[in-house]
Amino acid sequence: DAGVTQSPTHLIKTRGQQVTLRCSPKSGHDTVSWYQQALGQGPQFIFQYYEEEERQRGNFPDRFSGHQYPNYSSELNVNALLLGDSALYLCASSFYLGRIAKNIQYFGAGTRLSVL
Amino acid sequence: AQSVTQLGSHVSVSEGALVLLRCNYSSSVPPYLFWYVQYPNQGLQLLLKYTSAATLVKGINGFEAEFKKSETSFHLTKPSAHMSDAAEYFCAVSEEGGSEKLVFGKGTKLTVNP
Repeated sequence: DAGVTQSPTHLIKTRGQQVTLRCSPKSGHDTVSWYQQALGQGPQFIFQYYEEEERQRGNFPDRFSGHQYPNYSSELNVNALLLGDSALYLCASSFYLGRIAKNIQYFGAGTRLSVL
Repeated sequence: AQSVTQLGSHVSVSEGALVLLRCNYSSSVPPYLFWYVQYPNQGLQLLLKYTSAATLVKGINGFEAEFKKSETSFHLTKPSAHMSDAAEYFCAVSEEGGSEKLVFGKGTKLTVNP
């Protein structure tokens, strides 16, 4: 059973460019969350997708957008890249059970984005 | 708003010694609490979780954590450190069930000396 897979593993972009990161959730999972982990920091929540809609969003600008497909895979798009966007981007998947949920989020290995 | 404070960005122990990693949280509602471990160049792996059942939670690799509501703490311990425990450890809080967003601490890097 494959876990959470992310692609690419590494990416180098220049300021102003746009980037798309991809995530395939663990089998059986229907919810995908994205996190940004800057060097030396803990992950910060960007947003969460469920049923192809953004369900929750953290404190990130509109330059960060996402999408979820019917097969539950997801993309994170970042426009007008800034140097400060350089980070490890982590995708996590889970199975949403509503208010009684006690499930956990499983993380992928991440995509390391460097903005020059 | 929820927040997590991990005391000590770096902790160094000798192999065989007790591991204690500290985590204090702030939450306006009963929290769900998690400890994750991150090895170099890898994603996060769940060590253990507290979901309002037993206050002493046992996880993988011999780790355990105790939820203390009066102290708003969820410290991670392991009786005897192993070289393979060297990694970065993150404490996280979630308001509901773990499917909601996780708020992480800044992490504690554990070094194990031979």
